[in-house]
Amino acid sequence: QKEVEQNSGPLSVPEGAIASLNCTYSDRGSQSFFWYRQYSGKSPELIMSIYSNGDKEDGRFTAQLNKASQYVSLLIRDSQPSDSATYLCAVKEEGGSGGSNYKLTFGKGTLLTVNP
Amino acid sequence: NAGVTQTPKFQVLKTGQSMTLQCAQDMNHNSMYWYRQDPGMGLRLIYYSASEGTTDKGEVPNGYNVSRLNKREFSLRLESAAPSQTSVYFCASSDPGLNYEQYFGPGTRLTVT
Repeated sequence: QKEVEQNSGPLSVPEGAIASLNCTYSDRGSQSFFWYRQYSGKSPELIMSIYSNGDKEDGRFTAQLNKASQYVSLLIRDSQPSDSATYLCAVKEEGGSGGSNYKLTFGKGTLLTVNP
Repeated sequence: NAGVTQTPKFQVLKTGQSMTLQCAQDMNHNSMYWYRQDPGMGLRLIYYSASEGTTDKGEVPNGYNVSRLNKREFSLRLESAAPSQTSVYFCASSDPGLNYEQYFGPGTRLTVT
């Protein structure tokens, strides 16, 4: 069973600070990684995807990938109270048969609270 | 575009009753998925359909059946509901042309008493 691990939190940061969310995964062959944001009572919303080692920036969000260490992270700069949510890390399965390559494995999520 | 839609939004069933959760997407995606989400358990895959005409079991398929009615629609059926199936159910879709990014519907909150 492929695993994706996240610290459940809660992670609490003051408004304006950098929030750092971390994720490790077990399948060394994984190539595609995703971050989702889920507000309480709502569905997951895709905010970032990353496929190559290094950093990928989109506005206040930066995803970082290190395949050698099997580690992916999400940095949120200038955190706002509206960023308070659960952040889910997801990893695409690779190398399986049939349609299994279409599946994502999700971590259980990290709850982020941004305090005004 | 509505994206992924799900009906109903809320449902209360008695143990042993049956129901079908409906999901439709208008993004012309090939693949569709059903997840359940429970506190402390994260998102767990129930069934998925890699393409029209195919369905496969996910991590927790027991007690559920699915039908990929056409490219747009993917339904989830509970034949005899049990309290353990109380959960929030999400449908999602993806496409190889979009690197398999999954897009989620708004969810159905199901309570079985």
